Amino acid sequence: GAGVSQSPSNKVTEKGKDVELRCDPISGHTALYWYRQSLGQGLEFLIYFQGNSAPDKSGLPSDRFSAERTGGSVSTLTIQRTQQEDSAVYLCASSLGSGGRSGNTIYFGEGSWLTVV
Amino acid sequence: GDSVTQMEGPVTLSEEAFLTINCTYTATGYPSLFWYVQYPGEGLQLLLKATKADDKGSNKGFEATYRKETTSFHLEKGSVQVSDSAVYFCALSDRRSGSARQLTFGSGTQLTVLP
Repeated sequence: GAGVSQSPSNKVTEKGKDVELRCDPISGHTALYWYRQSLGQGLEFLIYFQGNSAPDKSGLPSDRFSAERTGGSVSTLTIQRTQQEDSAVYLCASSLGSGGRSGNTIYFGEGSWLTVV
Repeated sequence: GDSVTQMEGPVTLSEEAFLTINCTYTATGYPSLFWYVQYPGEGLQLLLKATKADDKGSNKGFEATYRKETTSFHLEKGSVQVSDSAVYFCALSDRRSGSARQLTFGSGTQLTVLP
């Protein structure tokens, strides 16, 4: 597609339920990132995928969070046993190669707004 | 570790006023610096970037100069418009440290421009 596509755009879930958030990166982009933006906060890095390399999971806040990327394209972020503090906007981004090291621009999706009640 | 400190908001200006949003950074290596903008209801968009000292990034009338001596990357615009109302994020990506794979963001500055 023309840009990074995320779904659902909005999700309200009950505490304790599992949720899955989907990201479809820009075609041809090998790097994919997940960030979290909590109310009034900056962006928090969660996880990074680059090609077939092992993902950088250093930003995942707990073992309730996991992500996978199938076929080097679409990615799913899963949050198990959701808590109210998980409420945030989850942003996916993609870039050609490594955005930071090579200076490639990182393009963001519009985000998935998650509310845990 | 790497960090970005951004001018706290919210900032409210009248149309055609001069804008400065301060940004300073701490990095162990040689970072690239970015300004991202988030318009209401939209995703983050890259506004401008600079990849080495003394570079000036510019776009849509906005400018920022990479100042290594003051570790700063302040965003400026000579005459703001109502359509510039958005949240602005300063960010860095450090090519030497472990953060080379991703961006470190400031906390964002909400700008409101009144007609």
